[in-house]
Amino acid sequence: GEDVEQSLFLSVREGDSSVINCTYTDSSSTYLYWYKQEPGAGLQLLTYIFSNMDMKQDQRLTVLLNKKDKHLSLRIADTQTGDSAIYFCAESSYGGSQGNLIFGKGTKLSVKP
Amino acid sequence: DADVTQTPRNRITKTGKRIMLECSQTKGHDRMYWYRQDPGLGLQLIYYSFDVKDINKGEISDGYSVSRQAQAKFSLSLESAIPNQTALYFCATSASYRDANTGELFFGEGSRLTVL
Repeated sequence: GEDVEQSLFLSVREGDSSVINCTYTDSSSTYLYWYKQEPGAGLQLLTYIFSNMDMKQDQRLTVLLNKKDKHLSLRIADTQTGDSAIYFCAESSYGGSQGNLIFGKGTKLSVKP
Repeated sequence: DADVTQTPRNRITKTGKRIMLECSQTKGHDRMYWYRQDPGLGLQLIYYSFDVKDINKGEISDGYSVSRQAQAKFSLSLESAIPNQTALYFCATSASYRDANTGELFFGEGSRLTVL
């Protein structure tokens, strides 16, 4: 079945850039998402990219999609302590058997002052 | 007020007890989901419902049941709770694809369940 993989931990210093990587297996993925989960809260959509795009930029966030390699990345510029959270990569396809999102296990980003 | 509301937010119970987690939404979405989150395992889908009369099992439905009482309400039940069901449970909603949306999920704040 479909799978989404991402590393579990990332630690950066405040002011540095963070890059969180994700790989997925479903070649029919239509949308790819980054969700953010702050401590004690539910997940919130951070950004998404449509599969016919290579890049999407939104203020400090840059999403890169390599569809050939099925690789998605999220770059956070000038990382702040408030960016400390768990970041989930997810994908969906209209042809998915369940019509829901497939999530990775989440990358816990720790930002050190 | 939150668009997706879960009750209770925290619950401690004993092995063998029946537990119900409730979810209500004001987003007018057709689709509702129950996920379970365990540290290091990400989100696992328990059950999902595409409308009031359509309920489907997810990856880990054993030991759980659901009821879609109305478009806005979707409850999750543990008939006889066991300790390995201790986890954080999330309800989520999404609009149907026919509404030409991105498939984005909207999550509740979560219900933390501890089974002793």
